[in-house]
Amino acid sequence: EAGVAQSPRYKIIEKRQSVAFWCNPISGHATLYWYQQILGQGPKLLIQFQNNGVVDDSQLPKDRFSAERLKGVDSTLKIQPAKLEDSAVYLCASSWDRRTDTQYFGPGTRLTVL
Amino acid sequence: AQKVTQAQTEISVVEKEDVTLDCVYETRDTTYYLFWYKQPPSGELVFLIRRNSFDEQNEISGRYSWNFQKSTSSFNFTITASQVVDSAVYFCALKVWTGANNLFFGTGTRLTVIP
Repeated sequence: EAGVAQSPRYKIIEKRQSVAFWCNPISGHATLYWYQQILGQGPKLLIQFQNNGVVDDSQLPKDRFSAERLKGVDSTLKIQPAKLEDSAVYLCASSWDRRTDTQYFGPGTRLTVL
Repeated sequence: AQKVTQAQTEISVVEKEDVTLDCVYETRDTTYYLFWYKQPPSGELVFLIRRNSFDEQNEISGRYSWNFQKSTSSFNFTITASQVVDSAVYFCALKVWTGANNLFFGTGTRLTVIP
């Protein structure tokens, strides 16, 4: 069974530029999550989707971050404009059921903002 | 509010030694799940184990074992006869049944196994 796919793996941009990340979850998984992991810290949830609806985006900085999951499968996370403090690894995860199931993570995208 | 504490920031052991990683959690929910994930240098979070709050049985999987104690709100992870490939950051995480069912992570413990 294929795991969670993410691209790109690495991205370097200058501050105030825009960037987008893509995630394809495990087939059949209804719930998709985006996390931000700053160096030396645990992952922090940015947004959770159930199919194509948002369950929780309370930690998403909505003035610059946006995410969508239009067809209930893959998802994109965008940052516009990027700030230096956005440098982090962005992890995508998916699960079959958001209440009980385990989340499985992709390899992440390492973003460096210069 | 939910909280996970991993007091050990970094641990170094010599190969073949046993090592225990500590995890203490806080929640008012009576139904919750605890997880351990491994993050090797490649960066991907690898799922290791999940326990629910109603099952306090300890579990052993090869060289890995987990000790879940509700009385002390702890879910500790022991690696027996450590190997160099065990070197990674290990995260303990908590998910509660109510609300958005979000996963709350600790700050991680970096384990280095010295050959």
